[in-house]
Amino acid sequence: DSGVTQTPKHLITATGQRVTLRCSPRSGDLSVYWYQQSLDQGLQFLIQYYNGEERAKGNILERFSAQQFPDLHSELNLSSLELGDSALYFCASSVTGTGTEAFFGQGTRLTVV
Amino acid sequence: GIQVEQSPPDLILQEGANSTLRCNFSDSVNNLQWFHQNPWGQLINLFYIPSGTKQNGRLSATTVATERYSLLYISSSQTTDSGVYFCAVGYNNNDMRFGAGTRLTVKP
Repeated sequence: DSGVTQTPKHLITATGQRVTLRCSPRSGDLSVYWYQQSLDQGLQFLIQYYNGEERAKGNILERFSAQQFPDLHSELNLSSLELGDSALYFCASSVTGTGTEAFFGQGTRLTVV
Repeated sequence: GIQVEQSPPDLILQEGANSTLRCNFSDSVNNLQWFHQNPWGQLINLFYIPSGTKQNGRLSATTVATERYSLLYISSSQTTDSGVYFCAVGYNNNDMRFGAGTRLTVKP
């Protein structure tokens, strides 16, 4: 167990809908990262937060947004869902930024039908 | 942005064989990690190794930061070693990028 908790584990929803994925980082970790992994693909970096502030942005679509709350948990919001958004979404956390070891949650498997 | 290249993309071994996986990166980094993604999709931390050499059982890793590469060695491979091995590099303190991975299949 990495100590990073993601909910839900599985999510099935219809095209056009909106979903929220939740991530609780390890105790003491201030940084949260979000990644998308489509079928048999690598991990695409979406966005990173540090202590509530956005610090880095990757290939995140405009339909997607995220935030980190004062208690340091983070949410990734995906809207106007398309079939191609079906993927495994991972959250990771680290103590500070990328100079410290990152640990990953078990992921949320999103299926858009 | 930084480029991360892993080789080989696929590797098939007989149980008991040794292997070396490589990760090249295009810029200075402040972090390098190796992960194993098992068949259930879990990402398992193997090594946090921005520089130097580390060993953990049958696995070891070496990062030569000045030459921008890292190597993961797997000795006496077992079927449970199957899965995808990723390297990830951190730079600018806020960005962590993954290579495309090496898919390892160990046959009994």
